[in-house]
Amino acid sequence: EVRLVESGGGLVQPGGSLRLSCAASGFTVRNNYMSWVRRAPGKGLESVSVIFSGGDTYYGESVKGRFTISRDNVKNTLHLQMNSLKPEDTAMYYCARGSVVVSAQYYFDSWGQGTQVTVSS
Amino acid sequence: SYELTQPPSVSASPGETAKITCSGDALAKHYSSWYQQKAGQAPVLVIYKDSERPSGIPERFSGSSSGTTVTLTVTGVQAEDEADYYCQSADSTYSHQVFGGGTELTVL
Repeated sequence: EVRLVESGGGLVQPGGSLRLSCAASGFTVRNNYMSWVRRAPGKGLESVSVIFSGGDTYYGESVKGRFTISRDNVKNTLHLQMNSLKPEDTAMYYCARGSVVVSAQYYFDSWGQGTQVTVSS
Repeated sequence: SYELTQPPSVSASPGETAKITCSGDALAKHYSSWYQQKAGQAPVLVIYKDSERPSGIPERFSGSSSGTTVTLTVTGVQAEDEADYYCQSADSTYSHQVFGGGTELTVL
């Protein structure tokens, strides 16, 4: 059974840092397209960062230069290092596994339950 | 940046049919997916590859595509279908996935 469990969220002051983790079981993270997706209060889903199986990464414009996605192949875990946090980063953060439809087109077939990040003074 | 446009809200009475649309230029050549998100829960995939339904998703959920618009149809809406629904597709450069703004389905 595929399972994703996020951790690491919390309350942080503006300018602070957090490191989110997503522990995976039932499949191998390094062989899959993985993404961090967030939902801010009153807003919709937003894919903020992606790591392809080959190691290439993508960041949304709103987080570029501040967030870093990575994976620990030994622990089968996905991470998101978030620096210089802003109040607008407040959201529930989900990790999700992508499955390929056709080349370079994916859908997210498995989601974790999410971890809450609140940026406030 | 590439955008997918959904209506903010749709409503239907139990037993009726609800249709949620999603429009975007790249949908004419990219596949779409749909997710259901109930309050306080993680999103759940209900449709992928425009019209394929994952195992465990009720048959009342179906998807279709026409040109630059894709549609999620819920036939015989039930109270438990009340949720936010999001479409998703690849952006024009295939670098990441884009979500629509979401549609709140209210069961009257």
